[in-house]
Formats: sequence, structure tokens, C-alpha cells
Amino acid sequence: IQMTQSPSSLSVSVGDRVTITCRASRGISNYLAWFQQKPGKAPKSLIYGASSLQSGVPSKFSGSGSGTDFTLTISSLQPEDFATYYCQQYNSYPYTFGQGTKLEIK
Amino acid sequence: EVQLVESGGGLIQPGGSLTLSCAASGFSASRNYMSWVRQAPGKGLEWVSVIDSGGSTYYADSVKGRFTISRDISKNTLYLEMNSLRAEDTATYYCAVNMVTTSPFDEWGQGTLVTVSP
Repeated sequence: IQMTQSPSSLSVSVGDRVTITCRASRGISNYLAWFQQKPGKAPKSLIYGASSLQSGVPSKFSGSGSGTDFTLTISSLQPEDFATYYCQQYNSYPYTFGQGTKLEIK
Repeated sequence: EVQLVESGGGLIQPGGSLTLSCAASGFSASRNYMSWVRQAPGKGLEWVSVIDSGGSTYYADSVKGRFTISRDISKNTLYLEMNSLRAEDTATYYCAVNMVTTSPFDEWGQGTLVTVSP
């Protein structure tokens, strides 16, 4: 299953609201996760089951979607939110990731 | 507290072998799905392999037949044996574990770098 994220990069300002989209090449129900990765660090799990927030993740992160189309929304961006975000499907093997969306400060 | 600590990375020649370890604490490695995920320098994430709670194993096509995932319950440690290494296997290798959610990658280690080069 191919996962396609858009956009690949985004230049945004502190305080902006951002939406990243992820499309699966075939239906994956809600077996979709989102990760945040900062340079030189391991990825961090944000969302599982397409819309459930991992413990400890702030509520400004939200996910939605089912089937083939999914979104990650980050409200009121703060400096610590500038990172690369990945979607990933775990409906079937091989697990696959999107190519990533890099958020940069405008 | 869940902790995953990878080790065993380094510089290896093409065709060589290397075994990575992931020492787990705060949970039982025998009861949880555990995976290896890699990231080539400057590139995205690529799932490599998983071992489930029943001991079944699955691999990405790119490593099938060359890599073997296993775990030692007595040491609470996950392993990745890598043979016939190629330049394209150069990457940081992360171990990750499914804990209480449906996601296979709830928690991640810090990663270990494998460089395949003459």
C-alpha cells in the first residue's frame, strides 16, 4: 500500500493552523498513525487509529479520516512544532510510511 | 517507564554481517509486537521487520532472506541479524514497540547508525 503525503514541505508562521493530507493507494480502514520527527531525533508517535491522540500529546494535534483519505491538523503552531511529519499505515504488511511533510518557519 | 536502547551499529563492508540489539525495559519484550524501522541519511522512514507476540516474523521485501529478527526473552532484548549487507542498507536503525494502542510504533529507541561502505 502506497502512502502519499501532501505537501512535501510547508512554510508557515507561528500561530498558524496547518493541515497535512495523507492518501492510501487502497482502503486501510482507520489503521493510520502520525509521527513527528525533529532533526537528529527518533520519531515520536502523535496519533493512532487515524484520530486517537497518544497519551501526553497536546490536543492541538488532531487527526481524521478513514478508508483512503486522512488529515493531520495542528492548530496554533509553536516553535517546537516545526518538524517533519509522517503518516503510516498498519492495515497490512508491509507497513508503509508517507514520504514526510517538513514544516518550516516562514 | 518504557525504554528502548539500540546498539551494535557501525561501519561494515559490503557483503558483511552485523547484528543489532535493542534492550527493552519497562515491559516484556515477549508480549509485545516489536519492530525495526530504518532511515537512510536525509531520507524518510522505512519499516524493516516485526516480530509479533506469538513469535511470527514479517519482513520488507528489500531485506527478506538477508535479515532475521529475533528476541531473547531472558534478556528482554530484540535483535536484527543483518547479512549480505549492501550500500543501500546504510541507515539509522530504530527499534519500536506496540504498547497499549493499535499502532505498532507507540515507543521508539534512539537509533543506531549502520554504514555499509568499502
